[in-house]
Amino acid sequence: AQKITQTQPGMFVQEKEAVTLDCTYDTSDPSYGLFWYKQPSSGEMIFLIYQGSYDQQNATEGRYSLNFQKARKSANLVISASQLGDSAMYFCAMREANTGNQFYFGTGTSLTVIP
Amino acid sequence: DTGVSQDPRHKITKRGQNVTFRCDPISEHNRLYWYRQTLGQGPEFLTYFQNEAQLEKSRLLSDRFSAERPKGSFSTLEIQRTEQGDSAMYLCASSLVGRLSGANVLTFGAGSRLTVL
Repeated sequence: AQKITQTQPGMFVQEKEAVTLDCTYDTSDPSYGLFWYKQPSSGEMIFLIYQGSYDQQNATEGRYSLNFQKARKSANLVISASQLGDSAMYFCAMREANTGNQFYFGTGTSLTVIP
Repeated sequence: DTGVSQDPRHKITKRGQNVTFRCDPISEHNRLYWYRQTLGQGPEFLTYFQNEAQLEKSRLLSDRFSAERPKGSFSTLEIQRTEQGDSAMYLCASSLVGRLSGANVLTFGAGSRLTVL
């Protein structure tokens, strides 16, 4: 089974609007971390936001927030007030505390911000 | 220290040749990871080091692949007898792991793109 599932290959959003990128995960480990990374066309993966499985509140970092629904095993990324520079690939990732130290990545969502 | 550096950024080689990629992590980071990313996919784990020790290797890492981190600083990833299927972006990432280091966030380099003709 896929550890991380991103079902939206491509998304479009109007500049200044908000957009939600979906991510569901699969784990039986009670302790895990969820991450979102942005990959512009230049190729470098840029860390955006982190959510720990025991965190009580949803993580926020500037215009990024993570809608963490533990029972549904979803960790959607919300980008508010989209900017043209937000156009990129977005990857959701998970690290399980008890099953090694590799990070599992989804297949990504390509976001295009329309002026 | 400006981040994780990878060299070369692009490499074109003929099938059967050997190639080596270098990664210089953030100096205070004790973990170093190698990932491979093909078009339209997310990064796939290859291997990681804690200081100079290689602690885990993916089954993706065939015997043609070898990685080293001899002094616990920079790392090299060598691919011997390259095949066309090895064409991909090879990403290096580093992190600081310890009692007080929190989430173990990976910091990635810009990647080394390999094209095997």
